Amino acid sequence: EAGVAQSPRYKIIEKRQSVAFWCNPISGHATLYWYQQILGQGPKLLIQFQNNGVVDDSQLPKDRFSAERLKGVDSTLKIQPAKLEDSAVYLCASSRDRERPQHFGDGTRLSIL
Amino acid sequence: QQPVQSPQAVILREGEDAVINCSSSKALYSVHWYRQKHGEAPVFLMILLKGGEQKGHDKISASFNEKKQQSSLYLTASQLSYSGTYFCGLTNFGNEKLTFGTGTRLTIIP
Repeated sequence: EAGVAQSPRYKIIEKRQSVAFWCNPISGHATLYWYQQILGQGPKLLIQFQNNGVVDDSQLPKDRFSAERLKGVDSTLKIQPAKLEDSAVYLCASSRDRERPQHFGDGTRLSIL
Repeated sequence: QQPVQSPQAVILREGEDAVINCSSSKALYSVHWYRQKHGEAPVFLMILLKGGEQKGHDKISASFNEKKQQSSLYLTASQLSYSGTYFCGLTNFGNEKLTFGTGTRLTIIP
């Protein structure tokens, strides 16, 4: 079974610029997650989708972050404008449901200059 | 609220055992355990869904103590491949969000 695909793997931008990340979950996985992982910390959930709908986005900084999951499959996460504190690894994960394992992609390492 | 893991870091010699604890201030619905190696994505180890449940494969097992609102991960006869940072993730009743703990960095030396 193919794993969770993410792109790009690395991104370097200047503060106040915008950036977008893409995720393709494992086929058949209804639940998709975006996490932010700052160096030395555990992943922090930004947004959780169940098919097309948002289940939880309580920790998503909505003034600058947005995410969508069209047709219940691929998802994009956007940051606009980026701040220095957004430097982190952005992980996408998917699962069949919340009681099943979450499978993570390799992540996008974002550096803000 | 973020689950608390202990210890924060541990160094073992190959073949030694380790226990990693994860505790929550709220009633638990499920406990997930993941291992993350440096520069890589977290890898799923196991999920425990019921209080009192214990699971294991190879020499890694875990328990879920509902009353104490905590889970423990047991690594026996550790191997070099066990090195990495271990994270517990907890969900609570009425809250689907998986909240990851503070992490435990495990180093195995020959």
